[in-house]
Amino acid sequence: SAVISQKPSRDICQRGTSLTIQCQVDSQVTMMFWYRQQPGQSLTLIATANQGSEATYESGFVIDKFPISRPNLTFSTLTVSNMSPEDSSIYLCSLRGLTGELFFGEGSRLTVL
Amino acid sequence: QKEVEQDPGPLSVPEGAIVSLNCTYSNSAFQYFMWYRQYSRKGPELLMYTYSSGNKEDGRFTAQVDKSSKYISLFIRDSQPSDSATYLCASYSSASKIIFGSGTRLSIRP
Repeated sequence: SAVISQKPSRDICQRGTSLTIQCQVDSQVTMMFWYRQQPGQSLTLIATANQGSEATYESGFVIDKFPISRPNLTFSTLTVSNMSPEDSSIYLCSLRGLTGELFFGEGSRLTVL
Repeated sequence: QKEVEQDPGPLSVPEGAIVSLNCTYSNSAFQYFMWYRQYSRKGPELLMYTYSSGNKEDGRFTAQVDKSSKYISLFIRDSQPSDSATYLCASYSSASKIIFGSGTRLSIRP
C-alpha cells in the first residue's frame, strides 16, 4: 500500500484563523479523499480531490470553509477556514487501493480554542 | 437509523481471551466490508477487507460477514495488550460511498 504522509500531525489554533493540512503520497493516485473524525464519532467524508479539477464536496461541507487543492497526482491540501471550536477534529487524507479498500494517513489533530 | 451501527463500548477483556466485535448494516446492496484498527492519536489502519458473505482469516484475526442478517464480525484470538485500540467497521457497494461505524473501544487487560 502507498505511504501517506500528513502535516501537521497536530496543532492548536485560535478561533477565526485558518490552517492548511498537507497530504503527500509516495505514488501517483487519481483520487484523494479528505475525512473528518470528530471526537467519539465516525469518519465523515468531506470531499474527493481529483487532480486537475475542482474537488467534489459532500453534503454539509462547502468550498469556502474547506478549500482543497490538488496540484499534482501525489499531493493535496485541505484548508480549514475561519475556525471555530466545532472544527476541533482529526482530519484524515486517504486513497483507494487497487481493489477498492481505503487507506489513511496518520491524521492531523486540530484543537481550536 | 444509521447505515452502519457499531456498539461504542468500551469493551474490556483479559489477555488471551477471544474478542468479538460486531456491526450491523442496513443497506442490502453493501458487498464490501472492512475492519480498521485505530490506535490513539493515529490514523485508521486497514486490518481486514472482505467481499460478500463468508469468513476471512489473517493470523489471529477473522472477519465474518452474514449478509442474510446484515451482520459483520471481527474475532481476535489470543488477544494481546497491543490489540487495545478502537476498531472501526465499514461497508459499501459499488454504487455507494464508504460508510463507517462509530468504532468500538477495546481494552485488553494484562
